[in-house]
Amino acid sequence: QVQLVQSGAEVKKPGASVKVSCKASGDTFTGYNMHWLRQAPGQGLEWMGRTNPNTGGTNYAQKFRGRVTMTSDTSISTAYMELRSLKSNDTAVYYCASEVVAGNFDYWGQGTLVTVSS
Amino acid sequence: QSALTQPASVSGSPGQSITLSCTGTTSDVGSYNLVSWYQQHPGKAPKLIIYEVSKRPSGVSDRFSGSKSGNTASLTISGLQAEDEADYYCCSYAGSRKFYVFGSGTKVTVL
Repeated sequence: QVQLVQSGAEVKKPGASVKVSCKASGDTFTGYNMHWLRQAPGQGLEWMGRTNPNTGGTNYAQKFRGRVTMTSDTSISTAYMELRSLKSNDTAVYYCASEVVAGNFDYWGQGTLVTVSS
Repeated sequence: QSALTQPASVSGSPGQSITLSCTGTTSDVGSYNLVSWYQQHPGKAPKLIIYEVSKRPSGVSDRFSGSKSGNTASLTISGLQAEDEADYYCCSYAGSRKFYVFGSGTKVTVL
């Protein structure tokens, strides 16, 4: 079993960047992919991308390429998602989720609210 | 606009069975058995309740079951209970270009 604890809420101005962290415990951190998803207020879930902490490899949704970077620090079992050039419609709850069983988001962090407002 | 189509709402009385649909295309639901379902209560993170079309994670009630036919996946909740009132999202793997696509979600109301 995996437990994921995310960093706290952020308020950013348009054009700024935000970096959200996700600390994992339980299963071996390098044994599964870590995904990032978001949910705008009152909206559905949107997949942003994933990282493989073992290899450092990443895959990003086309919508976010060039604006997002997903990394991990295996020494502290923590994954990061940085989103740049923030716009008001990036206001959302951002989630990390593990992929222990291939193709699924097995365990989720509690979510991090990022508010983009001038 | 979500890639997978779900009804906006479904309701049922306690003890009844309801079925939620999730319609995709031959590029996602129809091509892969990597369809999963997530339950989300208000203000909470989503929770995996069905994976690989019909498998249940440990600890998930056997009142939840999943299936797939062609481009449409379905989630059935039997013996509906008040605690089942939540939003339900389907998700499918969609290949190495799109990776994962979601439905817009179905709000389940227990009458």
